[in-house]
Amino acid sequence: DTGVSQNPRHKITKRGQNVTFRCDPISEHNRLYWYRQTLGQGPEFLTYFQNEAQLEKSRLLSDRFSAERPKGSFSTLEIQRTEQGDSAMYLCASSQASRGVNTGELFFGEGSRLTVL
Amino acid sequence: QQPVQSPQAVILREGEDAVINCSSSKALYSVHWYRQKHGEAPVFLMILLKGGEQKGHEKISASFNEKKQQSSLYLTASQLSYSGTYFCGTEIDRGSTLGRLYFGRGTQLTVWP
Repeated sequence: DTGVSQNPRHKITKRGQNVTFRCDPISEHNRLYWYRQTLGQGPEFLTYFQNEAQLEKSRLLSDRFSAERPKGSFSTLEIQRTEQGDSAMYLCASSQASRGVNTGELFFGEGSRLTVL
Repeated sequence: QQPVQSPQAVILREGEDAVINCSSSKALYSVHWYRQKHGEAPVFLMILLKGGEQKGHEKISASFNEKKQQSSLYLTASQLSYSGTYFCGTEIDRGSTLGRLYFGRGTQLTVWP
């Protein structure tokens, strides 16, 4: 399977715990995005990388959220001291950009569903 | 900066047509359309770029009015497989693309046999 892979697919945690999600993008894609989706809403942008550089981070993202993409391959999204409001589906997507122009589609993974009790 | 989609929901019989609209208050570089089925990831349908270029699906078409910052998705002769939630994603024109999409709240399309 050469699509975007995310794990774990489901995570149930207690409030205050830390969680980490991993995303493996399509191998030749240089851009990687993290989105969050709650029921009845569209995906909400969190952050994105071009290769290993984190180019933009949403102002909605608190300091408890951190993302990395070492070596420009897979990415991790960590949420520290989780709160019930963090419960959502965390979607990763990748795309190919050439010369800084992103004219291609986003390929989404199936997401990691977080439930904070 | 989130685009506004309308209608919120559409119910069709197989073979009927539908139009889904998306509008933004900001000048746009591109508009993307995605379909998401329950429990699945969003899947790309169409991208429309400032300047008129577009690429996407064979049986689904779309328009992009740059002056009005509006896009419409046209689903003709709908099939059962068209059921799902349709999202538009807009990229604001900042002189160069930064790749960040703002998604609307979605339009739920249900096609009955």
